Formats: sequence, structure tokens, C-alpha cells
Amino acid sequence: TQLLEQSPQFLSIQEGENLTVYCNSSSVFSSLQWYRQEPGEGPVLLVTVVTGGEVKKLKRLTFQFGDARKDSSLHITAAQPGDTGLYLCAGFYNNNDMRFGAGTRLTVKP
Amino acid sequence: DSGVTQTPKHLITATGQRVTLRCSPRSGDLSVYWYQQSLDQGLQFLIQYYNGEERAKGNILERFSAQQFPDLHSELNLSSLELGDSALYFCASSSGIQETQYFGPGTRLLVL
Repeated sequence: TQLLEQSPQFLSIQEGENLTVYCNSSSVFSSLQWYRQEPGEGPVLLVTVVTGGEVKKLKRLTFQFGDARKDSSLHITAAQPGDTGLYLCAGFYNNNDMRFGAGTRLTVKP
Repeated sequence: DSGVTQTPKHLITATGQRVTLRCSPRSGDLSVYWYQQSLDQGLQFLIQYYNGEERAKGNILERFSAQQFPDLHSELNLSSLELGDSALYFCASSSGIQETQYFGPGTRLLVL
């Protein structure tokens, strides 16, 4: 059982559409990170959210941390083919143990 | 480029063999993390070192071991390899214990 559950597992959309992916847990995290990973590469950090209710924007990407710090969402506006990749959420559990969700594999078709 | 380097990039070996994966953290980072990523398991945390000392252990098998050297580079040793050990192995580094982790490009291990 994953400590962090991500949904959907797969998402295929057309260029220009909007989408939201979710990261949920029954545990409270002191901080939560979102990474994007492309095939054959290591995950690259997109954002870290720390405060409950926090919203961060990175160009067309909007990240939100839940008020109880148990969940997070990533919203992409007007998706582009370059957004294609595996989106992973991660958080620290039991102090030093970093746990990752299984990821959402996004494909944006031109 | 994250600044974390891993060698080798690819490794093909046979069951029962032993391999060593190497990681050099970003300049100034004291923490090194090892992860295994396979298709059916996602990214699994194996072990963390901080300034040469083991700090946290995840789902690391007894056949696997790691160490961090005085120059802060780290090695992950995988022994008695099995087919199921085929995966991508990532190293990440951070400046502290719960700081942002930066990932290397990974080592792709194939056990035949």
C-alpha cells in the first residue's frame, strides 16, 4: 500500500486542455514535493509546499497543499506536449524517510 | 543538470553477480539518498546517509549495502543479484536531512 496515493494513474489529453492530478494520504506531512520525471531521466523538483492551504504557481502549473497537510493537487492550464511526463508527489514520513507516490503518467497529444 | 553524477549509466550482469553503483552528490551537499525504481513498484527509498553516517533505512534488502565516504561520494553494493533486481537506481543529494533532494540521472541495471 502506497503511503501517498496519486490519481489518476494515467492521463492522456489534447494540447490546450486543462487537467488536475491529485496526491492523497491519511498521514500528515511537514512538506510535500512535486517532481516531474521524463523517460530515462531522474525526477526533477517542480515545487515544495510547506504550509497548509498554500498555493504556488509556476507558469501554467498551480500547486495546492491541503489545509490539513494530507493532500495536494497539481493543476495544469492549457497543457502542451512538453508537459508530457511522470508527475510524482513525495513527502517526508517518520522524519527522514522520503516516500513517493506511484505517479501520474501524463501524455499531451499535439 | 542537477549536479549529481552517477556511474555507470548502464550495467548488464548475470544472476548471482555483485555490482557497485557510484554516486557523487552536488557540491556542498552532505546527504545522499538511494532509490530503486521499477515498473511495478514505483520509486522506492532504499537508504540515506548524512555526512558519512547512515540516517534512515527504507526497503533495502539484506543483499544490498551502501556507504558514504569521507569525500561524501556514495556507493551502493548489490550482491547475489536476481532477475527482479533489474531496475533504475537513482541517487539524490541534499544539503541537509529534510532539505530538497536533487536526483542524478540514474543507473539502469539489467540482470540476465
